[in-house]
Amino acid sequence: QVQLVQSGGEVKKAGASVKVSCKASGYTFTSYGITWVRQAPGQGLEWMGWISSYNGNTEYAQKLQGRVTMTTDTSTSTAYMELRSLRSDDTAVYYCARAKAAAGNFDYWGQGTLVTVSS
Amino acid sequence: SYELTQPPSVSVSPGQTATITCSGDKLGDKYTFWYHQKPGQSPVLVIYQDNKRPSGIPERFSGSNSGNTATLTISGTQAMDEADYYCQVWDSSTVFGGGTKLTVL
Repeated sequence: QVQLVQSGGEVKKAGASVKVSCKASGYTFTSYGITWVRQAPGQGLEWMGWISSYNGNTEYAQKLQGRVTMTTDTSTSTAYMELRSLRSDDTAVYYCARAKAAAGNFDYWGQGTLVTVSS
Repeated sequence: SYELTQPPSVSVSPGQTATITCSGDKLGDKYTFWYHQKPGQSPVLVIYQDNKRPSGIPERFSGSNSGNTATLTISGTQAMDEADYYCQVWDSSTVFGGGTKLTVL
């Protein structure tokens, strides 16, 4: 069965960076991309970007351009999302999800990773 | 940037039909996707490409999309359907609606 297992919660200081991992199993990793979505406490869903696991092509939300980098490691079927220059409003649960294309639907989701940014 | 508007909340009695709308400019020209999310859980895809159900999603969930409005309909709503519902489209980037809290009472 398809599974996406994310790394554990993180507490970071403002200005630091965080890197969240998402290990996929149960399907051919390079046949699907990975999208990242975050959800601030009590708020809605915010799309962060998408990466092709096949060739590494990326699409990032304009709001996060320059602060976010998404990568994949096909040898371990793992996707990574790094967010730099953290601010308090980056405090959120970060989700990875499987997505055939940047414009497609997200059919399987990870369990979420809480990133807390303290000042 | 593109915006999607959802009602903040919808209430329905058990067994009745719940209707959740999602509005956006010429939304009918785009594919709409719907997710539900229960407290403390990850979102779950319930409708894709306007009106298709993923495997495992009950038949009581259906979708439509025309003009400026996409609609998620839950027929014979059950207590387990109580959740937040989000619509999603692609318009140069992925856009989510603000979410609708469905209360079954």
